[in-house]
Amino acid sequence: DSGVTQTPKHLITATGQRVTLRCSPRSGDLSVYWYQQSLDQGLQFLIQYYNGEERAKGNILERFSAQQFPDLHSELNLSSLELGDSALYFCASSVGQGEYGYTFGSGTRLTVV
Amino acid sequence: AQKVTQAQTEISVVEKEDVTLDCVYETRDTTYYLFWYKQPPSGELVFLIRRNSFDEQNEISGRYSWNFQKSTSSFNFTITASQVVDSAVYFCALLPGGSYIPTFGRGTSLIVHP
Repeated sequence: DSGVTQTPKHLITATGQRVTLRCSPRSGDLSVYWYQQSLDQGLQFLIQYYNGEERAKGNILERFSAQQFPDLHSELNLSSLELGDSALYFCASSVGQGEYGYTFGSGTRLTVV
Repeated sequence: AQKVTQAQTEISVVEKEDVTLDCVYETRDTTYYLFWYKQPPSGELVFLIRRNSFDEQNEISGRYSWNFQKSTSSFNFTITASQVVDSAVYFCALLPGGSYIPTFGRGTSLIVHP
């Protein structure tokens, strides 16, 4: 157990739907990161929050949004889902800005049918 | 722009062989951090090692060793006497100092046959 909790582990949904992925960071970590892993794109950075504030944005689609709450847990919202959004979504956390490495959760496998 | 290249897409070895996974990076920053992560078949990414740009000492941890060479912009990972449990995808990553966005390589899939 890495200390980073992601729910749900698996999600199957239809095109056009909206889903929410949840992440609780490791105790003491203030930064939360979201990544998308697909076979053709590899591990893609989506967005980072630090203590409730958005710090960096990567290749995140406009249909996707995220937030970090006062208790530091984070949610990634994916809407108007397309088949191509099927992927493994990881959450990671770190103490600072990632210079000491990241602790990853076990991921949410999203399948859009 | 930052870039991490893991040229080996897949490596297949037989147990007890030594294997080296290559990682070449590009950055204009003088301060940066390099990492290796392991992703076993279970899927979770596991942190293996971190190195900052000012520390070129090689590191050994059991059967694992890392060779950091700034002159060739490489941070290679060697597994000695490989075991079946080493079968995984290994990712190299780069975080420039002052940046919040890490760059991951595409990963190298290591298959260790019994």
